[in-house]
This record gives sequence, structure tokens and C-alpha cells, in this order.
Amino acid sequence: SSELTQDPALSVALGQTVKITCQGDSLRTYYATWYQQKPGQAPVVVMYGRNSRPSGIPDRFSGSSSGNTASLTITGTQAEDEADYYCSSRDISDNHVLFGGGTKLTVL
Amino acid sequence: QVQLQESGPGLVKPSETLSLTCTVSGGSISDYYWSWIRQPPGQGLEWIAYIYYNGYTNYNPSLKSRVTMSVDTSKNQFSLKLSSVTAADTAVYFCARGRIPASGSYMHDSWGQGTLVTVSS
Repeated sequence: SSELTQDPALSVALGQTVKITCQGDSLRTYYATWYQQKPGQAPVVVMYGRNSRPSGIPDRFSGSSSGNTASLTITGTQAEDEADYYCSSRDISDNHVLFGGGTKLTVL
Repeated sequence: QVQLQESGPGLVKPSETLSLTCTVSGGSISDYYWSWIRQPPGQGLEWIAYIYYNGYTNYNPSLKSRVTMSVDTSKNQFSLKLSSVTAADTAVYFCARGRIPASGSYMHDSWGQGTLVTVSS
């Protein structure tokens, strides 16, 4: 089945821009869904579809996609954005749910 | 605002069956997918399975031989059974509501708080 690949860790200076990427064959067909997870909490959707944010998610979060790569960009990163970020998609052959391995984002 | 709550034993012995129930409140169980997702300590998310309100199921192939999901629409609940557990099944188990927006991919937009299940004798 398909897999989704993420960088295990990234760091960004406070106020700067960071791009978190996710690669996988399924992303050629389906947009990624992005989740933010803070310690001890359940994941929360921060981005889905081509570039849609659920209500309550700040507009500093944006999404994009090209070929087999989906990206989540945080512009003007805040301290509260420090978290684990997971991409998710749909397997094109059997409709399974796929998760990337997660990216631990550190805000310096 | 829909809310999900997991319930079940926090400790299961090796080789036994893990059983969890998720109760949905504040909304109907109809017209959505309902997933179980787990997270071993310090690790990433792993989708286990989902069930549609009409009973259609889809299981992670790596767990398929050991997993059974069911739904009880009259109680607004869905359940997970994972058989022949080992220490590798120790994880926080989340239940979540899934849907497919226009983009076509899955989106789990509501989650339970998660429940830690430890497999140990």
C-alpha cells in the first residue's frame, strides 16, 4: 500500500516561515489533510483540501500541493505552533487511511 | 458540537482481546465514517480501521486479521476488538469522526481524548 513520508523534525525561529512537507503517491490523486498534535492532546485538523482551514485555525497556516508532495506552511510562526504535525491521505487502491510519520516542529 | 468518548479496560493481558467502545454525543452517528486510530508512546499515529454508519468496514491490512469493528446506531456507539494482543499493541487509542470533503481525501474532524491501553501480564 501507499506510504506518506515526512521529515522527522524541523525548527524555525519565532516569527519566521516554515514549510512542512509530505510525500507519497496518493498525493497525486488526493489532497492531504494536516493535523497538529500537542503533548497529551488529540490531533486537530489545521488544513484540508486544496487550501482549506477549519474554523478557528489562524490564517498563518496555508497548504499547497504539487505532484506527489503536499506542504503545510506556517507564516509568522508563533510559540504556540510548536507541536507535532501529521499529514494524512487516502490510499488510491483500497481507500485505506494513511498517516505520515509526523514532523516535530520546534520554535526557537 | 459532537463529542466522542472512549471507554474500556486500561490494562489487557498478552494474547487476550482488547475491547473499546466510543460513545458519540451531540450529533448523530449517521452519514459519517468512524475510525479507531492509535499512537504508541512517543510514536506517530496509526489508523486501525473505520466503520461507516451502515456497517461497512475498512481495516488496516497490517491489523486486519485481528481487528473487528461494529456500530450500534441506537446507542450512538461504535466499538473495536483487537485480538491476540502483545506489548506492541500498547498505545493511546483514539476514536474519531471521519468524513470525505470535496477534496476526496479523509478528514478526521472530531476526536476523543484518547485512552491508554497497556498490554502486560
